[in-house]
Amino acid sequence: QSVLTQPPSASGAPGQRVSISCSGSRSNIGRNTVNWYRQLPGTAPKLLLHKNDQRPSGVPDRFSGSKSGTSASLAISGLQSEDEADYYCSAWDGSLEAVVFGGGTKLTVL
Amino acid sequence: QVQLVESGGGVVQPGTSLRLSCAASGFSFNTYAMHWVRQPPGKGLEWVAFIWSDGVHDYYGDSVKGRFTISRDNSKNIVYLQMNNLRAEDTAVYYCGGDPPQSGWALDIWGQGTTVTVSS
Repeated sequence: QSVLTQPPSASGAPGQRVSISCSGSRSNIGRNTVNWYRQLPGTAPKLLLHKNDQRPSGVPDRFSGSKSGTSASLAISGLQSEDEADYYCSAWDGSLEAVVFGGGTKLTVL
Repeated sequence: QVQLVESGGGVVQPGTSLRLSCAASGFSFNTYAMHWVRQPPGKGLEWVAFIWSDGVHDYYGDSVKGRFTISRDNSKNIVYLQMNNLRAEDTAVYYCGGDPPQSGWALDIWGQGTTVTVSS
């Protein structure tokens, strides 16, 4: 059981907007920033967003993030077939003194 | 170019030890905190350990605490993961990740992973 909770799956048609949630607690999301990763099949994860909503160089602005209280979300607009991947949220948990991950969300582009 | 290359994985028996290495190049290794993250077959990511850029402090996930040790050699740009008393549930792809200063524990550099299989 993961400390951060994500829906196991999400889907959307090409061109649509999809959102993935990440729920935590005061000791992790409540007090620290959230990072998002994308993992294509058979490859290493890649940082998608850091500090809740900051895009690293090269990440298109179709990807956006937000945080409120003990929850965060990743939004992908203009869905493309190449967005099919697993998405993970993570944050530092001050009580556990550990980085915690969500269980991952498998995104399917219909 | 910016790169992390893991090595040292393999097939080992339960109760034995293994040391993973992760060689860094193309960035200021001695300014980055370094992490190990693993992924069991068909499952999600699990954080294993991280070490400060200067190596002074290290932190571990509950499932490996007391059995695994992370260390680094900033003169060689390498981070290690010493894994002792291995169990079947340690079977996974092990990734090392680089965490730049003030990133909020964001791993912006990842290696390709090395596979550890613990089986009798």
